[in-house]
Amino acid sequence: EDQVTQSPEALRLQEGESSSLNCSYTVSGLRGLFWYRQDPGKGPEFLFTLYSAGEEKEKERLKATLTKKESFLHITAPKPEDSATYLCAVQANTGNQFYFGTGTSLTVIP
Amino acid sequence: ETGVTQTPRHLVMGMTNKKSLKCEQHLGHNAMYWYKQSAKKPLELMFVYSLEERVENNSVPSRFSPECPNSSHLFLHLHTLQPEDSALYLCASSQAHYNSPLHFGNGTRLTVT
Repeated sequence: EDQVTQSPEALRLQEGESSSLNCSYTVSGLRGLFWYRQDPGKGPEFLFTLYSAGEEKEKERLKATLTKKESFLHITAPKPEDSATYLCAVQANTGNQFYFGTGTSLTVIP
Repeated sequence: ETGVTQTPRHLVMGMTNKKSLKCEQHLGHNAMYWYKQSAKKPLELMFVYSLEERVENNSVPSRFSPECPNSSHLFLHLHTLQPEDSALYLCASSQAHYNSPLHFGNGTRLTVT
């Protein structure tokens, strides 16, 4: 069964304190792994797509990496405006469905 | 207007009402989705319309009825809902079969009283 698990459920960081969010997945043939950011009262905003193990993508203070079993979202020197819920999703080679994790709620304290 | 637009943003309805949620995408995508988002749960796929084919999650109650008149518009018709249906309903679109991510609207916050 295709499944996505994110950890931790919640994370509080001081401004400037780097950390990583984890997304573990099981899927019968990975088409793509997707990271989203969701602010309160809004829909998820697309951040990155990763397609194969070893791939990395960067955007400002965020860097996403992928292995055969998990993905990490590294946040370097976070700022308060990085506070949001970060969602991970995978898409299998078969079908058009996306499977989401429950997200990590990140709070960055000034 | 760009992206994915959902209306209304907020909806309060009684259990005997009938209402509809509307979604429009301006991205030229060929697949549209309805997701339900509840606290502490993963996004739950309700319906997909892809290349004129409809796929549905068999666990979705019949009180939810989707309609997709064309590739840019998607509706979710609601009738005789239950309080546990209160949630954020998200519409998304993608380019099916092209390793394309989902692009979401800002959702409709539904409260059933």
